[in-house]
Amino acid sequence: GDSVTQMEGPVTLSEEAFLTINCTYTATGYPSLFWYVQYPGEGLQLLLKATKADDKGSNKGFEATYRKETTSFHLEKGSVQVSDSAVYFCALSTGANSKLTFGKGITLSVRP
Amino acid sequence: GAVVSQHPSRVICKSGTSVKIECRSLDFQATTMFWYRQFPKQSLMLMATSNEGSKATYEQGVEKDKFLINHASLTLSTLTVTSAHPEDSSFYICSARLAARGTGELFFGEGSRLTVL
Repeated sequence: GDSVTQMEGPVTLSEEAFLTINCTYTATGYPSLFWYVQYPGEGLQLLLKATKADDKGSNKGFEATYRKETTSFHLEKGSVQVSDSAVYFCALSTGANSKLTFGKGITLSVRP
Repeated sequence: GAVVSQHPSRVICKSGTSVKIECRSLDFQATTMFWYRQFPKQSLMLMATSNEGSKATYEQGVEKDKFLINHASLTLSTLTVTSAHPEDSSFYICSARLAARGTGELFFGEGSRLTVL
């Protein structure tokens, strides 16, 4: 079945540090890939997505590139801010009406 | 963007009582809604898929008689936790798929935290 594997957390960084959060997947078919963010006490928000190989999703300074050859969708940001502290979930979906499969999520804490 | 609203955001109830959580798509029609449960420091577990006008499809291991889901209209789905017990305490999140879209994108509610005493 489909699955998403995220690197173990939590991750603690200083403000303006570079961020990489790894995500790999296994899927039957050709999935769409997503990063969701959950700020403290809130529901999930879509951060970015990519629907085909080599697509780069980007939003709020975050980027992730759909790598079919390595089945990866790593999330990066060049300079994190305190306001980026949240839980980040990698997810995939196959087919037009298929459910989302989530990774376990990783907590990011950014120190001033 | 599309907005999904859940109500209540927090609810505390006594063991043995039933609690209803509403999920509304405010500015779009959603033929499909999903209910998730999130345990502390863990990922979201899909409980069931709710399709407007038909019975919900439950994931393996989820008791359909305990977690009643109703999707009576294109903008409203409800989750009722019947005879709640302390182990049902959790964060419940709904999501909705735009009726006209097929990209797999979902819009999430802000979640409802249930505490059963």
